[in-house]
Amino acid sequence: SQKIEQNSEALNIQEGKTATLTCNYTNYSPAYLQWYRQDPGRGPVFLLLIRENEKEKRKERLKVTFDTTLKQSLFHITASQPADSATYLCALANYQLIWGAGTKLIIKP
Amino acid sequence: DAGVIQSPRHEVTEMGQEVTLRCKPISGHDYLFWYRQTMMRGLELLIYFNNNVPIDDSGMPEDRFSAKMPNASFSTLKIQPSEPRDSAVYFCASSPSQGNYGYTFGSGTRLTVV
Repeated sequence: SQKIEQNSEALNIQEGKTATLTCNYTNYSPAYLQWYRQDPGRGPVFLLLIRENEKEKRKERLKVTFDTTLKQSLFHITASQPADSATYLCALANYQLIWGAGTKLIIKP
Repeated sequence: DAGVIQSPRHEVTEMGQEVTLRCKPISGHDYLFWYRQTMMRGLELLIYFNNNVPIDDSGMPEDRFSAKMPNASFSTLKIQPSEPRDSAVYFCASSPSQGNYGYTFGSGTRLTVV
């Protein structure tokens, strides 16, 4: 069956450093991969979408890579800030989204 | 646009009672999704609609759950009778498309069944 793995442990990063989150998947060949941010008590917020034929996509301090050979996506936040602290979810899709469990990111001042 | 609007934000009910959750999607979005989120199981898709028509309800846990979308601007998720294991956060999301477009989520309804 399809499986998506994100770091289950919280990721602690010093302010100003680059945070890198990982999303691995098996038994699936998605056409699209999406990243969302979720704050406590709120719904997920869409950040970026990358297509299978795209290797990398950027938006301000965010960068996403998509390696269909490794079946992996990396999500980078450069110059991280305490306000970036949240849970980050990856989701894969051909049609419906299949969700990872999310990684909690903590940026320490 | 005010985004996806859900009500109520919080609902506490007794076991056996009927619960109705409401959602107003973003105007022009053809897809509406109902999700449930728990710590143990993460985000689970319950049902989704395309142009007001239910397409896939395979995620609905059992017959106690039902969903309707009478028009493009309103959907309900009903649980009757409610049970303590239904306690979760229920999200509604809408999108112009499926996987190739980001979803916009509402703020969710936190349901507690005692």
